[in-house]
Amino acid sequence: SQQGEEDPQALSIQEGENATMNCSYKTSINNLQWYRQNSGRGLVHLILIRSNEREKHSGRLRVTLDTSKKSSSLLITASRAADTASYFCATVAADRGSTLGRLYFGRGTQLTVWP
Amino acid sequence: DAGVIQSPRHEVTEMGQEVTLRCKPISGHNSLFWYRQTMMRGLELLIYFNNNVPIDDSGMPEDRFSAKMPNASFSTLKIQPSEPRDSAVYFCASSLRGGGTGANVLTFGAGSRLTVL
Repeated sequence: SQQGEEDPQALSIQEGENATMNCSYKTSINNLQWYRQNSGRGLVHLILIRSNEREKHSGRLRVTLDTSKKSSSLLITASRAADTASYFCATVAADRGSTLGRLYFGRGTQLTVWP
Repeated sequence: DAGVIQSPRHEVTEMGQEVTLRCKPISGHNSLFWYRQTMMRGLELLIYFNNNVPIDDSGMPEDRFSAKMPNASFSTLKIQPSEPRDSAVYFCASSLRGGGTGANVLTFGAGSRLTVL
């Protein structure tokens, strides 16, 4: 399976702390994306990093990608209670999958930020 | 744009009944995806369409499931007959693919929560 695997499955922190979530995958990728899902809602795209990029920033989000280790991390700095959600990584395979556009999702990390 | 619109938001039905879930993708998007989400299996890709043509339906569980996309603005996912194990949240997502970038960022609908008794 090409699915990404997020780690940890659950993370609980206080407001103001940083939250780090990891994603590992199995095959070569074209790009890797992170999505967020609030309870009872659909997934929302957060950030995309391409296979030739190593780091990317968007507001309080920082994503890194290590293709040699087939892993990525999502860092949320100065977390807020409103960041409480599930976070998923999704990969687009570098082979024919990139042409097909198929996204493989992991099981997600449940982040809880306490006020 | 109102985003990806799914209906119904909630459906409760009895085993053996036919269920039809509907999706209106974002105008101008050329790819449409149906996912199923459960606690046990996470987010599974059931089928996806590119320019209204089914490209990959390898995730469709069995013959009880079928999906159609008669035009660029509408898709249905049908389960007939439904079973309790089909209980899940079904998501539709759309994207605009092109230029060979392989980026394929998805916009998800709010989901249809199906309960089969």
